[in-house]
Amino acid sequence: GAGVSQTPSNKVTEKGKYVELRCDPISGHTALYWYRQSLGQGPEFLIYFQGTGAADDSGLPNDRFFAVRPEGSVSTLKIQRTERGDSAVYLCASSLLPDQPQHFGDGTRLSIL
Amino acid sequence: DQQVKQNSPSLSVQEGRISILNCDYTNSMFDYFLWYKKYPAEGPTFLISISSIKDKNEDGRFTVFLNKSAKHLSLHIVPSQPGDSAVYFCAASEGQGAQKLVFGQGTRLTINP
Repeated sequence: GAGVSQTPSNKVTEKGKYVELRCDPISGHTALYWYRQSLGQGPEFLIYFQGTGAADDSGLPNDRFFAVRPEGSVSTLKIQRTERGDSAVYLCASSLLPDQPQHFGDGTRLSIL
Repeated sequence: DQQVKQNSPSLSVQEGRISILNCDYTNSMFDYFLWYKKYPAEGPTFLISISSIKDKNEDGRFTVFLNKSAKHLSLHIVPSQPGDSAVYFCAASEGQGAQKLVFGQGTRLTINP
């Protein structure tokens, strides 16, 4: 498809487990972003990649959260020792250049039991 | 600390009439603003943006107005159509090239036939 693709669409796991969420940006988009959306709230910024490097990770809530983009395309958001408060929809977005509007995927709904 | 606020959680408008969605911000460093539309189980879709050097930007049925002195912006949709029923998010950033978008909580717009 032509849009941002996120897998899985839903993930249910137990407290304390490790999870990985994947994002395939639009082909050719150099900038990639991760956001988290809790129920009844707007998306909240987590991290931004320009190419392979994390240019701004100021939104990561703590060191249990980590993201990579090793080849400048696909990105993986990794959450260690998950907690119930991590339950949310995790959204990925990409843009052709940093000053272009961000295009979002449909998100991964993460539920921590 | 909610830097971008959408004080109306919901709005109901008759088909064919004007819909006006409002957004307030507190951070005086914000100078680029966007509106996104979101359907259930989908990611936000970019609608329209405005830079602080303008006070109005129009794209078809959608117009965004910016009042910098009041730190207020609004999205006008005219005429409203049933397909406009969705959640609308206002977002802001410090500069068009800034990557970190700060979102409001969203307003659910319902267009009644």
